[in-house]
Amino acid sequence: RKEVEQDPGPFNVPEGATVAFNCTYSNSASQSFFWYRQDCRKEPKLLMSVYSSGNEDGRFTAQLNRASQYISLLIRDSKLSDSATYLCVVIFLIKAAGNKLTFGGGTRVLVKP
Amino acid sequence: DAGVIQSPRHEVTEMGQEVTLRCKPISGHDYLFWYRQTMMRGLELLIYFNNNVPIDDSGMPEDRFSAKMPNASFSTLKIQPSEPRDSAVYFCASSRDSKTNLYGYTFGSGTRLTVV
Repeated sequence: RKEVEQDPGPFNVPEGATVAFNCTYSNSASQSFFWYRQDCRKEPKLLMSVYSSGNEDGRFTAQLNRASQYISLLIRDSKLSDSATYLCVVIFLIKAAGNKLTFGGGTRVLVKP
Repeated sequence: DAGVIQSPRHEVTEMGQEVTLRCKPISGHDYLFWYRQTMMRGLELLIYFNNNVPIDDSGMPEDRFSAKMPNASFSTLKIQPSEPRDSAVYFCASSRDSKTNLYGYTFGSGTRLTVV
């Protein structure tokens, strides 16, 4: 089983609609969580961190469910410019090696007019 | 700040040839990371350096891959000999203070490598 898993999609979303997708992680010792955005043929860029209590950044809402070991990203009022691949990042502690950072495979979102 | 600079942007080479990818991290960043991204395996960490010293190279796939960081402003990833399965996008990233400090974690634009 992969340490961090995402539905690759694509999620086809009408412009203005809401879309949500999850990222599951296998290590219960995971400590920190982030969402990255990667546009086609570009580098990944940090979108937002995920706080234990959930957090919003404009139209984006990130949540953490420790009991079920997943994080989620919700995009409201989708814009054409939201079309991208969204990568989750999980950081967990390895006793001998310190923190380990792992990227998910990404979820592709296509917003259509 | 110019960000993390990688070169070349694209590289097409024949199987068996040596390939060298280059990276200039952000000035002041003491961590440098090399990643490989493919459709099948996603984004994988190959190796990272702290203060120019290789710390963890457990992600390097085989002995054909090697990485160096001769000084704080330059790193190379070399593949010799290259094989078609090495075709991927290779990203360099740098950060300050911590290998998991994502708030300062910046990726370069990547090198798209095609081995034919």
